[in-house]
Amino acid sequence: DAGITQSPRYKITETGRQVTLMCHQTWSHSYMFWYRQDLGHGLRLIYYSAAADITDKGEVPDGYVVSRSKTENFPLTLESATRSQTSVYFCASSGGQAGNTIYFGEGSWLTVV
Amino acid sequence: LAKTTQPISMDSYEGQEVNITCSHNNIATNDYITWYQQFPSQGPRFIIQGYKTKVTNEVASLFIPADRKSSTLSLPRVSLSDTAVYYCLVGDIPGRRALTFGSGTRLQVQP
Repeated sequence: DAGITQSPRYKITETGRQVTLMCHQTWSHSYMFWYRQDLGHGLRLIYYSAAADITDKGEVPDGYVVSRSKTENFPLTLESATRSQTSVYFCASSGGQAGNTIYFGEGSWLTVV
Repeated sequence: LAKTTQPISMDSYEGQEVNITCSHNNIATNDYITWYQQFPSQGPRFIIQGYKTKVTNEVASLFIPADRKSSTLSLPRVSLSDTAVYYCLVGDIPGRRALTFGSGTRLQVQP
């Protein structure tokens, strides 16, 4: 079941370059999220979105930009990548009902050199 | 979103029952309690969810006392493949407010 897919799965980029991580879900879920997870640590929320054209900052939004022009897509852009942004990035989605669960993508491994 | 507190880590042996408790003192009336499991190099996945009393599925049981200020995830007869990080989340509609996971509980199962 490929309900939520991320691309690229693996990326190496240089400091200062712009990088966009893509996220696509096929369930028409209202809510979408971006998390980062550094090696050996927990998940930290970067941005989230309640619907198309509605986005909010999470715990660690600095250095990231998101957009949501269509319900099914939620790209995350690193405007000028830094080494501290080396991490695994997880996209997730959820329906808009109380008690709905959250479904995660397989992750995008990003290394900034 | 209700703040949750879990143990950082737990150790167990194969075949034992493991209970992981999560404290959520400021849980709201409409909040559900949901547990997720994360294996290395994978995104978290849903294990079990409850509102009150006890819930059981093919993977785990969830015990919720009457005051709902805590919950206990019970994994019966764990195996090596249960080694993972377990997260407790409390909330109503995921995404209505910022959904933070915290550090979770790292369960290590030994042979």
